[in-house]
Amino acid sequence: AQTVTQSQPEMSVQEAETVTLSCTYDTSESDYYLFWYKQPPSRQMILVIRQEAYKQQNATENRFSVNFQKAAKSFSLKISDSQLGDAAMYFCAYIIGFGADGLTFGKGTHLIIQP
Amino acid sequence: GAVVSQHPSRVICKSGTSVKIECRSLDFQATTMFWYRQFPKQSLMLMATSNEGSKATYEQGVEKDKFLINHASLTLSTLTVTSAHPEDSSFYICSARGGRTSGVYEQYFGPGTRLTVT
Repeated sequence: AQTVTQSQPEMSVQEAETVTLSCTYDTSESDYYLFWYKQPPSRQMILVIRQEAYKQQNATENRFSVNFQKAAKSFSLKISDSQLGDAAMYFCAYIIGFGADGLTFGKGTHLIIQP
Repeated sequence: GAVVSQHPSRVICKSGTSVKIECRSLDFQATTMFWYRQFPKQSLMLMATSNEGSKATYEQGVEKDKFLINHASLTLSTLTVTSAHPEDSSFYICSARGGRTSGVYEQYFGPGTRLTVT
């Protein structure tokens, strides 16, 4: 079974600083996708960034980037220039291929932005 | 694009009654829809996967007779919680995925439904 582990229940960062959220996963599959989702207090799930396992290049989306280490099965999220609106729960998620399976989520990291 | 709605956003029902939650893909055809459950301060857990026109596939430990899922069209899936009990109180989230025909491969999430059983 696939598992996703987020070892940081809570992280705090000063506004405008950089923070890194950790995620590790366990799988025997070779074709999979990894995601970071943001869940603000509204509880709407918002896709932050995704990474295809077959791509060596780390994905970036504006202030958000990942450090994907396939051999180590690590997938961390870096948020640069943190903003108050970044405060939320962040979930790392995994899916086999890009097919019809549901997502497997980690337990989440609560990110606090200090003004 | 790729908007998913859920209705109702909140529902309170009495123990022993049934409640239906709707999930709609508004601007694409969803060949597959997923239902997740989220307890307070916890992560999302996949309950079931439904493909249009087929029976839903339930995750281990999820009672299929209690959580009835119907995916009768490419834009609508429903989750019915039958004979609800207080322990069924939770936040239910659906997501929808298109596929080759719609060009929408990723899962897009609805805003969720908070169910409270009294």
